[in-house]
Amino acid sequence: GAGVSQSPRYKVAKRGQDVALRCDPISGHVSLFWYQQALGQGPEFLTYFQNEAQLDKSGLPSDRFFAERPEGSVSTLKIQRTQQEDSAVYLCASSLGGMKETQYFGPGTRLLVL
Amino acid sequence: EDQVTQSPEALRLQEGESSSLNCSYTVSGLRGLFWYRQDPGKGPEFLFTLYSAGEEKEKERLKATLTKKESFLHITAPKPEDSATYLCAVPTSGGYNKLIFGAGTRLAVHP
Repeated sequence: GAGVSQSPRYKVAKRGQDVALRCDPISGHVSLFWYQQALGQGPEFLTYFQNEAQLDKSGLPSDRFFAERPEGSVSTLKIQRTQQEDSAVYLCASSLGGMKETQYFGPGTRLLVL
Repeated sequence: EDQVTQSPEALRLQEGESSSLNCSYTVSGLRGLFWYRQDPGKGPEFLFTLYSAGEEKEKERLKATLTKKESFLHITAPKPEDSATYLCAVPTSGGYNKLIFGAGTRLAVHP
């Protein structure tokens, strides 16, 4: 595909369940970012990968959040023991990798924790 | 602390009524300012990148400008299809392209 894809687009989880969100970046993009967007707010940085290396995870809210990109392409964001405050849109973005490269975003996964 | 503030939070325009959106930023050593458009239920769509004060970029009815402390997104003779949330973002001073976003301006253009 031409753009960043994410799945599922919508996820409803019961509090305490584990969820996994998938991101397929643009082919050839070295850098991959995860952001969290609350309703009415701008996206907030969660974590950054360069190829398979997770270089920054400073934005992950707690140790319940875990991200991986084992082969340097597809990435998965996992949230364990979901809480209501985890309800948000999770956005994935990818870029070519240079310091000034534009990040291109996927459509996001809307997570609702009941 | 790196910070991005957008104003107004919401803007309602009549079709054809030109206006400007503001993005003010505080960051050490600006390495670019990005404008995105976001439609409901979709991810942000890239519009422009500006790198230095005085730089301007245009796309259809949109023109983005940059000073040392803020950026403006000028919308000339808007149409209803320009209705969206407009986000601006800057890379943090810590390195690479970890973006800090403003909260956005929700623009509604009515016929």
